[in-house]
Amino acid sequence: KAGVTQTPRYLIKTRGQQVTLSCSPISGHRSVSWYQQTPGQGLQFLFEYFSETQRNKGNFPGRFSGRQFSNSRSEMNVSTLELGDSALYLCASSLAQAVPNYGYTFGSGTRLTVV
Amino acid sequence: AQSVTQPDIHITVSEGASLELRCNYSYGATPYLFWYVQSPGQGLQLLLKYFSGDTLVQGIKGFEAEFKRSQSSFNLRKPSVHWSDAAEYFCAVGAQAGTALIFGKGTTLSVSS
Repeated sequence: KAGVTQTPRYLIKTRGQQVTLSCSPISGHRSVSWYQQTPGQGLQFLFEYFSETQRNKGNFPGRFSGRQFSNSRSEMNVSTLELGDSALYLCASSLAQAVPNYGYTFGSGTRLTVV
Repeated sequence: AQSVTQPDIHITVSEGASLELRCNYSYGATPYLFWYVQSPGQGLQLLLKYFSGDTLVQGIKGFEAEFKRSQSSFNLRKPSVHWSDAAEYFCAVGAQAGTALIFGKGTTLSVSS
């Protein structure tokens, strides 16, 4: 059974650009959540999608957005990149909508560096 | 709102010694509790989880955790640490209604020989 696949693994972007990250969940998982991980702030919740609808959103500016497709694959987009957006972006899939008892299965993440 | 505190930022344990990583949570009702492990450059792997029932839960890689409601704690333990256990460990809490997991800041475990 394939795990959660995130692409690309590494990305270097210039301040002011935009970036799109991709996540393919485990087959059959319909919930995809995104987290930002930085040394200073730790793991912070960005948003969660279930059946192509955003169900939960963390406390991030509108520059951060996402979507989910009918095959449950998800993308997140960050526009007008800032140096502080440099982080490891983790995608997590779950069998159901943010139901904690299922837990998350995480991908290996996309390391974004903004220069 | 729920929150998680991991009091120890960094712990060093000798190989073969026992390990206990602390986790305290804040939540009004019975929480859903998790421990995850992260190796450098990797995502998070679920070690174990607690929802209800027996307060001592067993996980993968020989880890166990005990839920203590009176202390709002969910400490992770392992009787004998191996060098391959060196990693960062995260405690997380979830509410019963569909909300995201809230993670602690993590504890980095180093294993000395």
